[in-house]
Amino acid sequence: DARVTQTPRDKVTEMGQEVTMRCQPILGHNTVFWYRQTMMQGLELLAYFRNRAPLDDSGMPKDRFSAEMPDATLATLKIQPSEPRDSAVYFCASGPEMGSYNSPLHFGNGTRLTVT
Amino acid sequence: AQSVTQLGSHVSVSEGALVLLRCNYSSSVPPYLFWYVQYPNQGLQLLLKYTSAATLVKGINGFEAEFKKSETSFHLTKPSAHMSDAAEYFCAVTYFYNQGGKLIFGQGTELSVKP
Repeated sequence: DARVTQTPRDKVTEMGQEVTMRCQPILGHNTVFWYRQTMMQGLELLAYFRNRAPLDDSGMPKDRFSAEMPDATLATLKIQPSEPRDSAVYFCASGPEMGSYNSPLHFGNGTRLTVT
Repeated sequence: AQSVTQLGSHVSVSEGALVLLRCNYSSSVPPYLFWYVQYPNQGLQLLLKYTSAATLVKGINGFEAEFKKSETSFHLTKPSAHMSDAAEYFCAVTYFYNQGGKLIFGQGTELSVKP
């Protein structure tokens, strides 16, 4: 059963440290999304890619966050430097086809980030 | 701006009782609507979706939702709750038709099922 894989599952780090979260989308999916989930804000879209090209990263704090897709099997989300307010669960999701409402997103199990 | 509002952050029902989770959307154009479920420590799974075909949509695990344009609603129902239905439920809308995956989520409703 194909699934989106995220690593690490949990990450605890100190303020100021760099954090890298990784996502392996489902093979053949050409869209990748990063969402952040917090109690206060709920689910927020940070960035999304189509065919490895960033389409929209307006939800991401540009000064400290960056998202890339080095290849079709890997998406990364980096925070440098991290701050306590970045503590959240970060979800990666992939979809098989852009432009089709019949193509639901498949979510990974998330990376729970705690910045102390 | 387009948005989704879920009424009630927490709903509690008894096992066997009707489940009703409310979702209203705000959109200036016809939306595509979704319900996702999130179990503890897991990602979101698609329950069902409305894509302008039938207004009554059936999903997995016995859930269904009805799109009512006049009420701008897409409430989720299940006739008889099961203990395994306890989870958080998210209503979502996409309004970029050529970017079908860009979902705007509601704040979520946590469903508790009492024995």
